[in-house]
Amino acid sequence: DVKVTQSSRYLVKRTGEKVFLECVQDMDHENMFWYRQDPGLGLRLIYFSYDVKMKEKGDIPEGYSVSREKKERFSLILESASTNQTSMYLCASSALGDEKLFFGSGTQLSVL
Amino acid sequence: DQQVKQNSPSLSVQEGRISILNCDYTNSMFDYFLWYKKYPAEGPTFLISISSIKDKNEDGRFTVFLNKSAKHLSLHIVPSQPGDSAVYFCAAMQLSGTYKYIFGTGTRLKVLA
Repeated sequence: DVKVTQSSRYLVKRTGEKVFLECVQDMDHENMFWYRQDPGLGLRLIYFSYDVKMKEKGDIPEGYSVSREKKERFSLILESASTNQTSMYLCASSALGDEKLFFGSGTQLSVL
Repeated sequence: DQQVKQNSPSLSVQEGRISILNCDYTNSMFDYFLWYKKYPAEGPTFLISISSIKDKNEDGRFTVFLNKSAKHLSLHIVPSQPGDSAVYFCAAMQLSGTYKYIFGTGTRLKVLA
């Protein structure tokens, strides 16, 4: 089974802090994604990566950056956390040529 | 511009009956459509997908129907069970290009015992 692991289930941070969310997948998938989920808004794409060191902006990249130094790891960085970044963050991965997207269990981030 | 829409935020169904969740899309270039199930405080789990060249795909109690002319897909769950109570997201993607998945806003299904 594909396993996508997010480093934290719950995080509480203060406004202005730099926040790192880590994601690791164990299936050698080329594509990795970061989404956030908010009630009534569904899943919105923040950034994605289709190869090591490659990244592309999704629909809501403002206030975020990403890093993919190794194929299995995709990090999301909140440069200066703000209260409107309180959300459920979901990492996902998929293989080239395969339509299925596999998600981690999510990180519920609260910014106070 | 919302390319994938789920117009029903919630649905309640009696245990044992059929649940039908609907999804509309606007982009005829999508190659695949997928359904995901999400419990609170967990990540979405893949349920079933359908290629744009098919009109039906079945997996156990779950069947997805695709009507390309209407740009509409639906997920049927028969029979519905209390454990099916969750939020269901439909998603669409293209295999070429940038592999972006577009998600709907979700439908909360409640199966009543």
